[in-house]
Amino acid sequence: DAGVIQSPRHEVTEMGQEVTLRCKPISGHDYLFWYRQTMMRGLELLIYFNNNVPIDDSGMPEDRFSAKMPNASFSTLKIQPSEPRDSAVYFCASNPAGASYNEQFFGPGTRLTVL
Amino acid sequence: SQQGEEDPQALSIQEGENATMNCSYKTSINNLQWYRQNSGRGLVHLILIRSNEREKHSGRLRVTLDTSKKSSSLLITASRAADTASYFCATVMDTGRRALTFGSGTRLQVQP
Repeated sequence: DAGVIQSPRHEVTEMGQEVTLRCKPISGHDYLFWYRQTMMRGLELLIYFNNNVPIDDSGMPEDRFSAKMPNASFSTLKIQPSEPRDSAVYFCASNPAGASYNEQFFGPGTRLTVL
Repeated sequence: SQQGEEDPQALSIQEGENATMNCSYKTSINNLQWYRQNSGRGLVHLILIRSNEREKHSGRLRVTLDTSKKSSSLLITASRAADTASYFCATVMDTGRRALTFGSGTRLQVQP
């Protein structure tokens, strides 16, 4: 299995531009998570999906952020308009269904720089 | 927001020594997990301990959990230079919420 795939790996954009981050979870995994990592706030959840349905979006900072999961193999995180404070590493993770709440499998991350 | 703190924030040891990292958390949990992050990379799951377990081993890793103190520790024995990384504890709450809540992390440097 290829693991969780994220693209792009690096993104540099200017303030005000729209940014779209992409994620392909591991096949067969029912849960997909978006996390953000910054020096100031550490690792924090943005949103997660179960069977393509958003379950908890309490971590989404504001209306500039939106996430979708149109099918079981693809999710996007969009920032519009982007701001310098959005600069961070964005991770996607997935895990299979089941009551065991087991490990999450992380992608390599997208390093976003907003100038 | 972060679940709690880890200490130390940074740890430097010699190869062959043991490394101990501590984690505190704030809420009731279903399980606690430890992840490793190499510089510039994603997170890799190391070990999971459930709320009804007190100790767990995996290779050179030993994890303890004290739910009364809301704390956990990760011990890496006989450390190697390749263990150099950041280590994060992460909790899953017992509310049914699946997301991980991370600690602040410990940066481990193992000197060859």
